Amino acid sequence: RKEVEQDPGPFNVPEGATVAFNCTYSNSASQSFFWYRQDCRKEPKLLMSVYSSGNEDGRFTAQLNRASQYISLLIRDSKLSDSATYLCVVKLPPKFYFGSGTKLNVKP
Amino acid sequence: GAVVSQHPSWVICKSGTSVKIECRSLDFQATTMFWYRQFPKQSLMLMATSNEGSKATYEQGVEKDKFLINHASLTLSTLTVTSAHPEDSSFYICSARERVNTEAFFGQGTRLTVV
Repeated sequence: RKEVEQDPGPFNVPEGATVAFNCTYSNSASQSFFWYRQDCRKEPKLLMSVYSSGNEDGRFTAQLNRASQYISLLIRDSKLSDSATYLCVVKLPPKFYFGSGTKLNVKP
Repeated sequence: GAVVSQHPSWVICKSGTSVKIECRSLDFQATTMFWYRQFPKQSLMLMATSNEGSKATYEQGVEKDKFLINHASLTLSTLTVTSAHPEDSSFYICSARERVNTEAFFGQGTRLTVV
């Protein structure tokens, strides 16, 4: 079983839509959780960390459910520039485990 | 945020030759560096973890004699793909971390094509 699982998508949404991605992790000892964004042929860049209490950064909201071992990312008011692959990352020290990514296409 | 510089950004080499990829932390001392490989439409797969001054720890299935990792200083780690073959063509990315509980920052990646 993979350490981190994500729906690969793609999610095709119109501009202005709200879209949510989920990610599950297998090891309950995982300590930290992140969402990264990866544009085509580029390196991943940290979008936001995910805290137990949930956290928001502008149009982006991340949630963590330790009991069910999943994390989520909600994007409101989608922009064309949000089109990318979103990677769920779980830290089980000393390693980081990556999901396969969920591709988002925001259309005009 | 912190900057990790990876070089070269792309390389084309002939089958059987060796290629060295450098990963530098520019504004912090990286006690740990990670090397990943990403095939098209797949996730990043961890190849090895290296701590400064120690031998790298390789993930299962990664040949340590083929992928030589050196982390001789706190700001530089290198990955050498020895006797490269076309199946080694991939996107190689490093990431560096200052301490155990700090974020890891990624280099820009190196696209290796072996012909």
